Amino acid sequence: QVQLVESGGGVVQPGWSLRLSCAASGFTFNRHGMHWVRQAPGKGLEWVAVIGDDEKTQYYADSVKGRFIISRDNSRNTLNLQMNSPRPDDTAVYYCAREAEHFNWYFDLWGRGTLVTVSS
Amino acid sequence: DIQMTQSPSSLSASVGDRVTITCRASQGISNFLAWYQQKPGKVPKLLIYAASTLQSGVPSRFSGSGYGTDFTLTISSLQPEDVATYYCQRYNSACTFGQGTKVEIK
Repeated sequence: QVQLVESGGGVVQPGWSLRLSCAASGFTFNRHGMHWVRQAPGKGLEWVAVIGDDEKTQYYADSVKGRFIISRDNSRNTLNLQMNSPRPDDTAVYYCAREAEHFNWYFDLWGRGTLVTVSS
Repeated sequence: DIQMTQSPSSLSASVGDRVTITCRASQGISNFLAWYQQKPGKVPKLLIYAASTLQSGVPSRFSGSGYGTDFTLTISSLQPEDVATYYCQRYNSACTFGQGTKVEIK
């Protein structure tokens, strides 16, 4: 079954750290760029970060640059997002999403999301 | 940074109506434009990419058009299952979503 399953969400205090993971199955993971997209409660979609199929090329939204780190392990079909120094405005459902076409950042497969709440 | 502006923010229409949602980019983006549907409590679903290409499995009542800065998503005959929020997204060299258009049944 082609799917993405996120995990690792929860409540984290501002300034602490949290690591999200996304397990991919049913497709050739190492052929797709992978992204994180978030959605604050009751709000719209916001792109967060991308990592290329090479496990190296990374880009970030200005809102998370220098705080979040995206990584992947193609041998384990896993995508990660290390959230360092989270802030209350990072509170959102975090989705992992598959890039539909090489170098074209639109998404044909989404996970169900994992909720991150940043609060003291 | 290129901004994406959708209009209207919400609309209410009757079953069978033709519905049009507009998305405007603050700079030209060629045809690097996608549309998503997000039903309440659900995950976003890709409807259209490259401004006008229908994703596999999406009903033909959905269509997209436009190039450069102005784009439209049209539902030719609104159905109850189309109640959702619709987002445009530009993907040329970066990724930015519009703020969303909520579609309801009158």
